Amino acid sequence: SQTIHQWPATLVQPVGSPLSLECTVEGTSNPNLYWYRQAAGRGLQLLFYSVGIGQISSEVPQNLSASRPQDRQFILSSKKLLLSDSGFYLCAWSGDRGGTEAFFGQGTRLTVV
Amino acid sequence: DAKTTQPTSMDCAEGRAANLPCNHSTISGNEYVYWYRQIHSQGPQYIIHGLKNNETNEMASLIITEDRKSSTLILPHATLRDTAVYYCIVGYSTLTFGKGTMLLVSP
Repeated sequence: SQTIHQWPATLVQPVGSPLSLECTVEGTSNPNLYWYRQAAGRGLQLLFYSVGIGQISSEVPQNLSASRPQDRQFILSSKKLLLSDSGFYLCAWSGDRGGTEAFFGQGTRLTVV
Repeated sequence: DAKTTQPTSMDCAEGRAANLPCNHSTISGNEYVYWYRQIHSQGPQYIIHGLKNNETNEMASLIITEDRKSSTLILPHATLRDTAVYYCIVGYSTLTFGKGTMLLVSP
């Protein structure tokens, strides 16, 4: 069966520090991968999605970047965190065809101080 | 912007059916209707999705109107653990979440 791993679960980082969140998927190949963010009390915002290795689409201009170095690995990064980067970050995967459901990881709660 | 409209909140008594409505009048021909739910501080959980036909699984039923402009998610016997925010989403490959409906199931 397919599983998605996201870590760490919680993270406290100072303003101006770098960020690297990793997400890996097991049990499937060539998945579509997604990064979402949920600010406190708000809905989920799609940040990036990827349909293949090295292929990244950005939905919202921001202080973050994403990379997909391997088929089932998706990384969210920042060179210098801002206070506004605080939030709940969620990785998700879906099949590579349209009309398939997406499955989410358990998320990383990031607090920038 | 989300393409769906949902009530902000709903209440349901434990053991009764919860019927959550969703309007999606601008849905395109190849877009599916998806339902997810999110319990506080957890990742969203997939519930069900469909294109044209009604769908049923072990969690819920999805009723899509013939013109596909609206749908209803039915939880046949709501329990306290069904208290969550329920998101109705239309899309094909990427999913855009709106604000959802906060369903409160009470004893």
